[in-house]
Amino acid sequence: QQKVQQSPESLIVPEGGMASLNCTSSDRNVDYFWWYRQHSGKSPKMLMSIFSNGEKEEGRFTVHLNKASLHTSLHIRDSQPSDSALYLCAARRNNNRIFFGDGTQLVVKP
Amino acid sequence: EAAVTQSPRNKVAVTGGKVTLSCNQTNNHNNMYWYRQDTGHGLRLIHYSYGAGSTEKGDIPDGYKASRPSQENFSLILELATPSQTSVYFCASGTDSNTEVFFGKGTRLTVV
Repeated sequence: QQKVQQSPESLIVPEGGMASLNCTSSDRNVDYFWWYRQHSGKSPKMLMSIFSNGEKEEGRFTVHLNKASLHTSLHIRDSQPSDSALYLCAARRNNNRIFFGDGTQLVVKP
Repeated sequence: EAAVTQSPRNKVAVTGGKVTLSCNQTNNHNNMYWYRQDTGHGLRLIHYSYGAGSTEKGDIPDGYKASRPSQENFSLILELATPSQTSVYFCASGTDSNTEVFFGKGTRLTVV
C-alpha cells in the first residue's frame, strides 16, 4: 500500500506563477518529511526538509507541515522553466526507513 | 557534498542471469538504501542497511538480495534476473539522524 500520497500527479503553471504541491502520509509513525526534485535523467536532489509544525521558507520555496494530519505542502513562487521536474515527497519512519511518493510532474511554461 | 558512487551505470542482462549492482559511499554513513524507479514514478524501497553486516527488507524485496560487507559498500543482487526487473536503480546513504539522504547517479538495468 502507498504510504505517501502526492497530488496532483501533474501540474502546469505559467512562468512567474505559483506552484503548489501536496503530500500526505498514511503512516502515523512518520516523523520527518523531505521534498526532493528530480530533473529528467538525473538523481533526486533534496530541496527542503521539515519535521516541526509550521512553515519553512528558503528563497522561492516554502514548505508547510501539519503533523496532526501528516500533511506537507511545497509552494514555489515565481516559477521558472528550470523548475520543471518531478517533485518527490519522502517520509522517514522509525529513524531509518525512508519511503517516497510517486511524485508530481511540474511543467513551467514560458 | 556526500559522494555515493554506483557501478555499473548501465547494464544489459539476460533473463535468468545473475546481476550485481554495486554502491560505494565515502562519507561514513551508517544507513544505505536501494530503490528502484520505473518511468515517471517515484522510488520504491527494495532493501536497506543500518551498518556493516546488516540488511533489512524494504517494500519490494522479492527477487532481490542485498549485501553490506563493509561500511562503504552495499550491493544489490538479482540471482535470476527477469524482464520485470528492468528499471533504474538508485543507491542512497544517510547518517543515523537521516536529516539528509544522498543519492548516487543511478544504474539503468535492462533485462532481455
